[in-house]
Amino acid sequence: DIVMTQSPDSLAVSLGERATINCKSSQSVLYSSNNKNNLAWYQQKPGQPPKLLIYWASTRESGVPDRFSGSGSGTDFTLTISSLQAGDVAVYYCQQYYSTPYTFGQGTKLEIK
Amino acid sequence: EVQLVESGGGLVQPGGSLRLSCAASGFTLSSYWMHWVRQAPGKGPVWVSHINTDGSITNYADSVKGRFTISRDNAKNTLYLQMNSLRAEDTAVYYCARSNGRIDYWGQGTLVTVSS
Repeated sequence: DIVMTQSPDSLAVSLGERATINCKSSQSVLYSSNNKNNLAWYQQKPGQPPKLLIYWASTRESGVPDRFSGSGSGTDFTLTISSLQAGDVAVYYCQQYYSTPYTFGQGTKLEIK
Repeated sequence: EVQLVESGGGLVQPGGSLRLSCAASGFTLSSYWMHWVRQAPGKGPVWVSHINTDGSITNYADSVKGRFTISRDNAKNTLYLQMNSLRAEDTAVYYCARSNGRIDYWGQGTLVTVSS
């Protein structure tokens, strides 16, 4: 199984400041046939299902604000929120969809400082 | 609008069975792979199973293999999860989800509690 490890476990950032969450996979999730990283980022607020933010490691889902961006390749990935808004308070998860079982990171809890 | 509505959760004793259903609307179910993902209270999501568009390919997490069965009825726009030999550690919210490579839509989930 591919193990996904996020850092940090929790993060407190001031409104308007940048938030950065890292995700490392135990093996590459780069699919050679299309040169795409099978890595997604989700946001989950209390009592709600996860919401897709980013897929292919860096493609923003339709309707997601452009302050959310994803980067990285192979085994190391980053989710960046460029200017934190109050509504961004949530738990963020990375997930690989390269091979089954499709594993998630343990989550990063983002709060306002 | 894409909608996924799960049902069938509840309280069941260890060793019991439940069948979850997921009613899909707003898209053509037969065009998408579908998944079940669960989330125990206070924990992160865990992928459980997926099924291809016509039901001929299924995969399961090791923790449920041999006990859970995923299936679909495209004519009824419905996804199923038959859960047998339930254990306390199966207690979770079970989400139905659609994928297009990545999982892009999730239902609101149905709570399964396994307890005596």
